[in-house]
Formats: sequence, C-alpha cells, structure tokens
Amino acid sequence: LAKTTQPISMDSYEGQEVNITCSHNNIATNDYITWYQQFPSQGPRFIIQGYKTKVTNEVASLFIPADRKSSTLSLPRVSLSDTAVYYCLVGDILTGGFKTIFGAGTRLFVKA
Amino acid sequence: DTEVTQTPKHLVMGMTNKKSLKCEQHMGHRAMYWYKQKAKKPPELMFVYSYEKLSINESVPSRFSPECPNSSLLNLHLHALQPEDSALYLCASSQEPVNEQFFGPGTRLTVL
Repeated sequence: LAKTTQPISMDSYEGQEVNITCSHNNIATNDYITWYQQFPSQGPRFIIQGYKTKVTNEVASLFIPADRKSSTLSLPRVSLSDTAVYYCLVGDILTGGFKTIFGAGTRLFVKA
Repeated sequence: DTEVTQTPKHLVMGMTNKKSLKCEQHMGHRAMYWYKQKAKKPPELMFVYSYEKLSINESVPSRFSPECPNSSLLNLHLHALQPEDSALYLCASSQEPVNEQFFGPGTRLTVL
C-alpha cells in the first residue's frame, strides 16, 4: 500500500486559494488518489478523486503530475467554514475499499 | 435519502456492559464499514462488509463483534471493552467497495 505524507497543518485567510500537497512515492499503477474533508466530531466527507492530470468538481481541483508521486488538492477562495482536516488516500480502485487507510491528515485553519 | 445514520450519538458504558452501535443507510449501497477514530488521529478501518458478508477484519479484538442483518443495516456489538476503546466510532457505506464512502456522524463512546 502506498504511504502518504501531508503537511501537518496549514493556515490561510478567507478568499485565498489553498493548495495542499500529498506525497505518495510508491504509488502503484492501479492506485487512485482520493481526498476527504473532516470537521470536528463529524464523519469524513468525500471531496474528489483522480488518477492522473487534473480533475475538477464544484468544490475543488486535484492536480496529479505525470509521475503520480504526489498530488495537490486545490481549494479556491476558502472561507472560514473550510477549516477542517483534509486527508489524502491512495488505493487500488479495484480493491481499495477493502483496505482504506487514511493518512495523518492536514489541519487547515482559515482566518478572517 | 443520501444519509448514513448512526445511533446512539453518545454512549457511556462500563467495562462489564454489553452494548450495540447501529448504522443504517438507504442508498442501496452494498459495502459498509466500521472505523475507529481516536482524538486528533485519522480514522482506522475495523471491518468491511461487502454484499452482507464480512470481507475484512483488521485484527480487531474479539470484544468488538460486527453484524450485518441486511444490506441497509450494520451493527457493532460491544462487550467487555477497555477504557482505551473510548473513541469515535464511524460507520460508512459505498455503492461498491471501490467507490467513494459516505460516512455517518459517528457514535462517541466512553468506556469507564
């Protein structure tokens, strides 16, 4: 299983773009990259998932370089309500659910 | 209905008690999961059910006993727990084991 490394914490201000990078040097060919968001005392919430290049949805973008050894979650124009822990996960798309391993997570604190 | 519900929200039990946690989803998902999360730590996978059959038991002590009575319901039976088992217990479901997981709000368990 590919191990992930993320910054422990990040600070930002409202309205800024936030980029959180995750390293996964031993990512396997069948592995997808998934990001979850978690607020205190709540369950994690799926944000985005991708395999290569760029994926965008209504809340975030995910950038994955050609070597796939890292990925960057981009949150455009953050607000105070984006203060949360963000987890990067790497897993086989075919069997990933059977071995879901959350990384340590990045605590994002958005200030006014 | 796009929710995973968990009951109770809070539970306090003694080390000799027997209790159960309940999880329910009505999204037609065929995979359901139990996670344990200690404070300021990432969720740790405990059990995975796929099509109502236990697929993964991550070497969890036998004092935790999962049960999947039907495709919508997941229970976690607790017996003779230790104080170190105090944590947030999260239930999740996904359409298939490979898809994004939807998490419930969790049960905050305190073992005295």
